[in-house]
Amino acid sequence: AQSVTQLDSHVSVSEGTPVLLRCNYSSSYSPSLFWYVQHPNKGLQLLLKYTSAATLVKGINGFEAEFKKSETSFHLTKPSAHMSDAAEYFCVVSPSYGQNFVFGPGTRLSVLP
Amino acid sequence: GAVVSQHPSRVICKSGTSVKIECRSLDFQATTMFWYRQFPKQSLMLMATSNEGSKATYEQGVEKDKFLINHASLTLSTLTVTSAHPEDSSFYICSAQHRADEQFFGPGTRLTVL
Repeated sequence: AQSVTQLDSHVSVSEGTPVLLRCNYSSSYSPSLFWYVQHPNKGLQLLLKYTSAATLVKGINGFEAEFKKSETSFHLTKPSAHMSDAAEYFCVVSPSYGQNFVFGPGTRLSVLP
Repeated sequence: GAVVSQHPSRVICKSGTSVKIECRSLDFQATTMFWYRQFPKQSLMLMATSNEGSKATYEQGVEKDKFLINHASLTLSTLTVTSAHPEDSSFYICSAQHRADEQFFGPGTRLTVL
């Protein structure tokens, strides 16, 4: 069975400082891993995904994530936060073939001016 | 890119009535679509997997007679909340599987049952 842990329910950073959103997973398979962002009352937008290619994955809006199998982690980072990054972020694990998405509980990112 | 739409985006209904939510893949065909439910400030919970031309697969604890799913074509799945009650008020999000490893999500439908 798959599960996802997002260690921080809320992260607050100042504009221009680095962002780190943590995600740990468990999976019986070689998983696909995703990060999605959700702005208030909006649907989900894919930031990036890992599907057994390069372990360092670059996504949209300057985000990237590194898959570390030994640590079962897939942390999301961005060098410099922007006010528009304030949103809810979900880490998602899926076995092969894109079904059975399991969502983490989410991390709310606040960006302070 | 792959686009998924939902209609309506927001609906308010009286208790006891039924509400239909549509999920469409606009520029690709999706044999599999998914329905999620999201309570305020919580994560998404998968309700059911909808396969074109066959019965939906419901997650444990989801009443199939209350949440009717129809996937009659490769671009359309519908979720009907029957005899809605206030506890059914939620944000419902669909997704459509595109390629083997990715789902594209609709913008969601906010249901409020009075």
